[in-house]
Formats: sequence, structure tokens, C-alpha cells
Amino acid sequence: GESVGLHLPTLSVQEGDNSIINCAYSNSASDYFIWYKQESGKGPQFIIDIRSNMDKRQGQRVTVLLNKTVKHLSLQIAATQPGDSAVYFCAEVGGAQKLVFGQGTRLTINP
Amino acid sequence: DGGITQSPKYLFRKEGQNVTLSCEQNLNHDAMYWYRQDPGQGLRLIYYSQIVNDFQKGDIAEGYSVSREKKESFPLTVTSAQKNPTAFYLCASSIGWARHEQFFGPGTRLTVL
Repeated sequence: GESVGLHLPTLSVQEGDNSIINCAYSNSASDYFIWYKQESGKGPQFIIDIRSNMDKRQGQRVTVLLNKTVKHLSLQIAATQPGDSAVYFCAEVGGAQKLVFGQGTRLTINP
Repeated sequence: DGGITQSPKYLFRKEGQNVTLSCEQNLNHDAMYWYRQDPGQGLRLIYYSQIVNDFQKGDIAEGYSVSREKKESFPLTVTSAQKNPTAFYLCASSIGWARHEQFFGPGTRLTVL
């Protein structure tokens, strides 16, 4: 079946460093991907999305990379700040046209 | 301000009782969704509605029911048939079905006593 998973459940980085959060997906037919940020006790917040006809997309301090050959998605956060501490989810639009979420990676920023 | 509201934020229920969670959006979105999130887990789709007066079961619909009588409202009822209802429930909406960014509400934390 479809699945979206993350390589690392937790990630700790120093404030000011860059963070890279990885995600593997299993459905090669998926053509739309989203990264969400979820702070404790709140709903997920959209960060950035990418379609399969692209391999890179940049936002404010964030970059999403898509490698369709190995079915891998990553989120890069530049110059991480304390406010970046949260759980990050990748999600894909799978064959059933539904958004499938991964388990999430908890990002902790160390001062 | 446009957005999605969910109420209540915290809800307690006794075993055997049905409870309804509210979800309202003023974004004029056609599609709405209900997800369940357990601790340390991702989101699992309960029900979704592509358009008013229509809804479909998601991956874990057993023990839940919904209605979509108005475009802006998509209430979720957790019935006594749901064996493990304690969870964080999230409502979302999108302009259209599936390929569009989903906007999430703040969530309702349901605890069964």
C-alpha cells in the first residue's frame, strides 16, 4: 500500500545551523508533495509544496528537494531559529488522490 | 479573518456516549477533511467531503459519522462504536480536491473517561 515515511524520527541542531529533514515515499505515481510544520497542541501549518515536474523549490529560508529516481523528498531549513522547533510532516498525493502523511520528524533547536 | 475553527478545544466524554466535534471554515473551500492524530503519529484520514452534500469514507471511518449540509460546516460525530476514541482530531479544508494545499484548524483533543 501507499506509505510515506521519514528516515529520522528526531533531529537536534544548533541554533543558526541548517537543518535537513528527509522523507521517503513509496508511490512512484505521486505527483504532488507538501511539507507541514506542527507545533505542540496545534494544527499543521503549510510550509512549502512541490509538484513532480520540479526537483527543487525555494521559499523563505526553506528549500524542498525532490528526487523521483529514488523517491526521496527533503526539507532544508536555513539558519534555524528557536521558533523552528516543531514536528515536520511530509505528505504526498497518492494514487487514490488522497493526501498521505508520514509519521513526522521532531526538530529540536539547541541554543 | 478567514480560516478554520474547531470547537471545543478540549472535550471529555464518558464511555458509551456519542459526541460531535464542530468544524467551520469561511474560506469558501469546496473540500473538507477530518483526520485523527495519535501521540507521536502522523495524520490518518477519517472522512472527507469533496463538495457540499457529499462525503466519502477515509482510511479509518469505522465508529465515526459526518454530514455536509452546508459548504462551510463539516461536523464529525464520534460514536460509541469507536473503540479507542481518545485522540487529537484535526479538520482541514482545501480549494479543491486532493491537489491543493490543505488548511488545518487548531484541533480538538478528545478524551474518553
